[in-house]
Amino acid sequence: DAGITQSPRYKITETGRQVTLMCHQTWSHSYMFWYRQDLGHGLRLIYYSAAADITDKGEVPDGYVVSRSKTENFPLTLESATRSQTSVYFCASSENTDTQYFGPGTRLTVL
Amino acid sequence: GQQLNQSPQSMFIQEGEDVSMNCTSSSIFNTWLWYKQDPGEGPVLLIALYKAGELTSNGRLTAQFGITRKDSFLNISASIPSDVGIYFCAGQKYNQGGKLIFGQGTELSVKP
Repeated sequence: DAGITQSPRYKITETGRQVTLMCHQTWSHSYMFWYRQDLGHGLRLIYYSAAADITDKGEVPDGYVVSRSKTENFPLTLESATRSQTSVYFCASSENTDTQYFGPGTRLTVL
Repeated sequence: GQQLNQSPQSMFIQEGEDVSMNCTSSSIFNTWLWYKQDPGEGPVLLIALYKAGELTSNGRLTAQFGITRKDSFLNISASIPSDVGIYFCAGQKYNQGGKLIFGQGTELSVKP
C-alpha cells in the first residue's frame, strides 16, 4: 500500500539497549521527520532530513541517531535507550515544506 | 524550545454544539496548519493556511490565519461523535527547512 509506514508499532526494551525504529514512505517525498509525543508536550521534533544523505537536528536530538541513505527510508536509532525515551514516536514526510503526512506511530517502552 | 500556546487544553461538549479553539504565539508564522489525531493513530492534516486573514473551510471545519500572523483559529460546527480526538495547530516560519512547531493540542470529547 502507498503511504508512510512505521515498524514496529509497539516495542518494549530495556535500559541501555540499542533500538531502531523504521520509517518508510512510498511517495518519494524529499523531506522526512521524526517526532516524539509525550503528554503535556505535544509533538517535538527530534531530527529531520531534507533529502537523502542530508539530516539535521530538531528540538530534542540528544540520545538519537538518524541516517538517510535512501529517499524512502529514515530510520531512528536510540543508541542506549533510557527510561526518559519512553514515548510515542511519529515519522512524517512532505514534498513541500509545510504539509506533512504522518505515519501511525511506534509506542516505545523502556524498562 | 518554542511551542505554540493552544487553548483550551480539553473540551467536553454535547453533540450538535459548535466548537472553537485557538493557537497563539509571540512570533510571526508564515504558514498555519491544523491536524487531528484519532486515538492510536498519527495526526492527519485538516486545513492549511498560507496568508494572513485567510479563511478556509473543510466541510464543517473552518480555520483562519490571524491578521497579525501570530495566531490561528479552528471552528467545528454541529459537532458529531466522530469529531472526538486531539486537534493540533502547527506553525511554520519562513525559511525553516520544513520544520513545524506544534501546539500542545486540544482534546475534544463529544457526548452523543
